[in-house]
Amino acid sequence: GAGVSQSPSNKVTEKGKDVELRCDPISGHTALYWYRQSLGQGLEFLIYFQGNSAPDKSGLPSDRFSAERTGGSVSTLTIQRTQQEDSAVYLCASSLVDRSSYEQYFGPGTRLTVT
Amino acid sequence: QQQVKQSPQSLIVQKGGISIINCAYENTAFDYFPWYQQFPGKGPALLIAIRPDVSEKKEGRFTISFNKSAKQFSLHIMDSQPGDSATYFCAATPDSGAGSYQLTFGKGTKLSVIP
Repeated sequence: GAGVSQSPSNKVTEKGKDVELRCDPISGHTALYWYRQSLGQGLEFLIYFQGNSAPDKSGLPSDRFSAERTGGSVSTLTIQRTQQEDSAVYLCASSLVDRSSYEQYFGPGTRLTVT
Repeated sequence: QQQVKQSPQSLIVQKGGISIINCAYENTAFDYFPWYQQFPGKGPALLIAIRPDVSEKKEGRFTISFNKSAKQFSLHIMDSQPGDSATYFCAATPDSGAGSYQLTFGKGTKLSVIP
């Protein structure tokens, strides 16, 4: 079946502009995660959605970052007034919530460049 | 902040050799330790994972060794092949309680296997 898809694959934006990044999780996966991967760094957790529960936003670096998940499926990560330090690859992952398996399936990411 | 420290940052191994990547953690609540493999332009993919009730897990050429008392775990790639050239991330998460769905990642090891 189809994996996690993300769009766009690349985004170049000017400093100060807003951007929206989209994630389509694997069908049937109730959990959805956003991570940020900066050059030479590991993956930094941003936000977690699980079903209809309130999302865990504890990893969002500032109030310029927000995310929503509509209908328990597609998610959008929005970055307002982008800054150069926001340049990174933004990865989305989805999973089943099952104590026997913590496997998160990652999309290919969106490479964001803020000029 | 919870951390997972990974070393080395980069590794060059000859074809047929053994690749060894090490990780250390601080949070004793961590109860699940996966390794992810990432090729350029792709999202990370789960390679192998271990829980602390066993000291070793082997899947094909890949082995995780786990030392609970030292809070360390490592990935061994036997008979390394050029196709193994990728970035490898260790990660950890608690099995329950706060953040039990959040993976904390190491900063990655870029492995190059030369013919």
